[in-house]
Amino acid sequence: AQTVTQSQPEMSVQEAETVTLSCTYDTSENNYYLFWYKQPPSRQMILVIRQEAYKQQNATENRFSVNFQKAAKSFSLKISDSQLGDTAMYFCAFMTAYNAGNMLTFGGGTRLMVKP
Amino acid sequence: NAGVMQNPRHLVRRRGQEARLRCSPMKGHSHVYWYRQLPEEGLKFMVYLQKENIIDESGMPKERFSAEFPKEGPSILRIQQVVRGDSAAYFCASSPPGRAGGTYEQYFGPGTRLTVT
Repeated sequence: AQTVTQSQPEMSVQEAETVTLSCTYDTSENNYYLFWYKQPPSRQMILVIRQEAYKQQNATENRFSVNFQKAAKSFSLKISDSQLGDTAMYFCAFMTAYNAGNMLTFGGGTRLMVKP
Repeated sequence: NAGVMQNPRHLVRRRGQEARLRCSPMKGHSHVYWYRQLPEEGLKFMVYLQKENIIDESGMPKERFSAEFPKEGPSILRIQQVVRGDSAAYFCASSPPGRAGGTYEQYFGPGTRLTVT
């Protein structure tokens, strides 16, 4: 079974600064996908960024980028130029790649507060 | 293209009553997933369905919980004889068939918050 660990329950950052959220996972699979989801106070789950394990290049989406270290089983999220609207819970998630449809395994989340 | 729809958004039930949660996937999506989020926790997988089939129910409690995704209409998560511990947010997600073009992302609905009094 896969496990996902987010070791930072809460973090804060000043507006316009950069923050990095940590995520580690444990799996025996070689092919899989990793995701970061954002959950604002509205509780809607919003996909922020995804990474395919077979790709060495780190994924980027505008101000969001990841540092994917496959050997270390680490998948951190970097938010640049933080904005007040980035305040939310952030969840790291894992999905195996060997089936047509698979469940997501989520970490416990990191609460991010962006301060003005 | 409308997103994943869930209703009701909020549901209050007394202990012992039944709760029915509905999920309409995005147009063209044939895979539906249900997740439960307890307060201050991450989401936990419950069940994965395709039309008229339960594919993986490894996360479903063995008693009182059931799910279906009929040929016509929304997917239903049913909780019989609810207890206080069932109070949680229940999220539905959908994804398109197959993996062509990287279409493995799951798109989430807004969730149903169930409160058992």
